[in-house]
Amino acid sequence: DQQVKQNSPSLSVQEGRISILNCDYTNSMFDYFLWYKKYPAEGPTFLISISSIKDKNEDGRFTVFLNKSAKHLSLHIVPSQPGDSAVYFCAAKVRGSNYKLTFGKGTLLTVNP
Amino acid sequence: EAGVTQFPSHSVIEKGQTVTLRCDPISGHDNLYWYRRVMGKEIKFLLHFVKESKQDESGMPNNRFLAERTGGTYSTLKVQPAELEDSGVYFCASSPWTGESYGYTFGSGTRLTVV
Repeated sequence: DQQVKQNSPSLSVQEGRISILNCDYTNSMFDYFLWYKKYPAEGPTFLISISSIKDKNEDGRFTVFLNKSAKHLSLHIVPSQPGDSAVYFCAAKVRGSNYKLTFGKGTLLTVNP
Repeated sequence: EAGVTQFPSHSVIEKGQTVTLRCDPISGHDNLYWYRRVMGKEIKFLLHFVKESKQDESGMPNNRFLAERTGGTYSTLKVQPAELEDSGVYFCASSPWTGESYGYTFGSGTRLTVV
C-alpha cells in the first residue's frame, strides 16, 4: 500500500526552463511534506519542505505547492540547471511523528544543456 | 564535521550467508535511523535508535534482521541468513534531536546484492 506516489519515473527538461515534479498522497494524517534530492552513489539530501497548514513554500529557485483537498504536492524548479539533474524523492510524515518518513519512489530529473 | 559514514559501500553475498552493515553517525547525534530502498521502489523506514535504545523498529522486515547500536555510537545491521529479496540499498541517517525530519543527514548507503 503505497501512501506517497510519484507517478512519473523520469522527467527531462531544457536548461533554463521550469521543472515540475509531482507527488500524490493518500494518508490524511500526513501533516508535513519534504522533498529530497539524491545524486548517484550519495544519500538523499534535504531540499525543501512544507507544513500542511501552508499551500506554498519558496526557497530560491525551488517552490513547493501543496493542494490538501487534492492530496497533491508539486516541486517547481525555475530556472532549471544541469546540476539539478538527480532523483527527487517526495516524503511525508504523520502528525505526531517527528522522525519517520514515508517516501515515494522518486523521479529522475534530467536537465539538458 | 564528518558526515554519516557507512561501510561497506557495496556487498555481494550468496543467499544464506550473513552480512553486517555498519553506520557511523555524526558525532554527538543521539538519533540514528535505518532505511532501505529496494530497486525501483520507495525508500522505506526500518528502525530508529535514540542512543543505544531502539525506539521504533516497526519497519524491520522480519527476524532475519538484527540492528544494534553499541554504547550509543555506531550501529550495525545484520542480515542472517540473507535472502534474494534483501537486495537493495541500505541507508543510515542521524540527527541531533528527534525534531523536524529535515534534520536528518543521510549516509551514502550500502548497496547489498544477494545472489
